[in-house]
Amino acid sequence: AQSVTQLGSHVSVSEGALVLLRCNYSSSVPPYLFWYVQYPNQGLQLLLKYTTGATLVKGINGFEAEFKKSETSFHLTKPSAHMSDAAEYFCAVTGGQGNLIFGKGTKLSVKP
Amino acid sequence: DVKVTQSSRYLVKRTGEKVFLECVQDMDHENMFWYRQDPGLGLRLIYFSYDVKMKEKGDIPEGYSVSREKKERFSLILESASTNQTSMYLCASSLIRWGSVNTGELFFGEGSRLTVL
Repeated sequence: AQSVTQLGSHVSVSEGALVLLRCNYSSSVPPYLFWYVQYPNQGLQLLLKYTTGATLVKGINGFEAEFKKSETSFHLTKPSAHMSDAAEYFCAVTGGQGNLIFGKGTKLSVKP
Repeated sequence: DVKVTQSSRYLVKRTGEKVFLECVQDMDHENMFWYRQDPGLGLRLIYFSYDVKMKEKGDIPEGYSVSREKKERFSLILESASTNQTSMYLCASSLIRWGSVNTGELFFGEGSRLTVL
């Protein structure tokens, strides 16, 4: 069965600092992996996805993630945080029936 | 752009009321989903549908039912609302056909925040 674990329910960084949000997955089949962002009182928006091919995936707003099969990880990074990055971030893996299985989310705070 | 529209952003209902949450997508997607989002629990799948009049239970279907009479519309029904159903409800759709690996993302609506008193 597929599952996702996001390490850290809350992460706080200073503006301009590196953002690192951790995601580990479990999957019995080759995984397809996603990161979504949710701003307050809004739905989820896709940041980036990994399906096949290059393991370093670039997304919107300067975010990127690297698929590491040996570590079963798909951590999200951004070199320099901006105040507008404050949001909740969800990692997801494909389920067996066309759905996505989500982690519990990580709330990112950005301090001025 | 894909648009998933949820009819109500905020609802307040009383215990025992019947509640309808409506969702419409405009991109001819095959699959539609209802998730529930609670703090600290992430998103949990309630029901999904991969075709008109078809439905499948997700992880937490108890207390809910769904209807898909038209391809673009997927409704979530709470037959008798209870306080523990106070939550954010998210509708999503995807293009991937049933039986295929989902390499595509889900497109989400803005969410419906339901409070049951």
